[in-house]
Amino acid sequence: AQSVTQLDSQVPVFEEAPVELRCNYSSSVSVYLFWYVQYPNQGLQLLLKYLSGSTLVKGINGFEAEFNKSQTSFHLRKPSVHISDTAEYFCAVKGNTPLVFGKGTRLSVIA
Amino acid sequence: EPEVTQTPSHQVTQMGQEVILRCVPISNHLYFYWYRQILGQKVEFLVSFYNNEISEKSEIFDDQFSVERPDGSNFTLKIRSTKLEDSAMYFCASRGAHMEQYFGPGTRLTVT
Repeated sequence: AQSVTQLDSQVPVFEEAPVELRCNYSSSVSVYLFWYVQYPNQGLQLLLKYLSGSTLVKGINGFEAEFNKSQTSFHLRKPSVHISDTAEYFCAVKGNTPLVFGKGTRLSVIA
Repeated sequence: EPEVTQTPSHQVTQMGQEVILRCVPISNHLYFYWYRQILGQKVEFLVSFYNNEISEKSEIFDDQFSVERPDGSNFTLKIRSTKLEDSAMYFCASRGAHMEQYFGPGTRLTVT
């Protein structure tokens, strides 16, 4: 079975500062990795995905993530955040079981 | 851009009543899913559906739950006799040939 750990439940950051949201997973099989964003009172929107190939993946809204197999991590980064990035961010992993989500990280961007 | 839609956006029901949550997946997708998110908790898998049958289900998906694709477009989740603990946000998702799943906006179910 797979599991996902998002180490930070809340991350406050000032506007235009860089941010990294951490995600670690455990799995005994190869995995696919995803980041989803949930804006207030909305559904889950796919930000980016790692399926295979280049370990640095770019997504929408200027976000990127790097797959690190040795550290079993898939951290999400953005070099300069905007107020509109305030949302809940979920890391998810898919191996040989259904999609498993982390508990989420609430990113709060402060003006 | 095609999207997954869900109705209603909010459903209030009394304990013991049956509810049906509806979803219209993206039209050329073949795999369909239901998830739930209890307030303040993580998103949990309920069931996956492919080729008109359940392909996987979680422990949460007990005999009180059922899914159906009654026609070529709708995908429904039925809860036969709702309990207070069924109160949650329910998300439908679909995927095509690739691995990424696309989620609908959710239905907030409140059981009183």
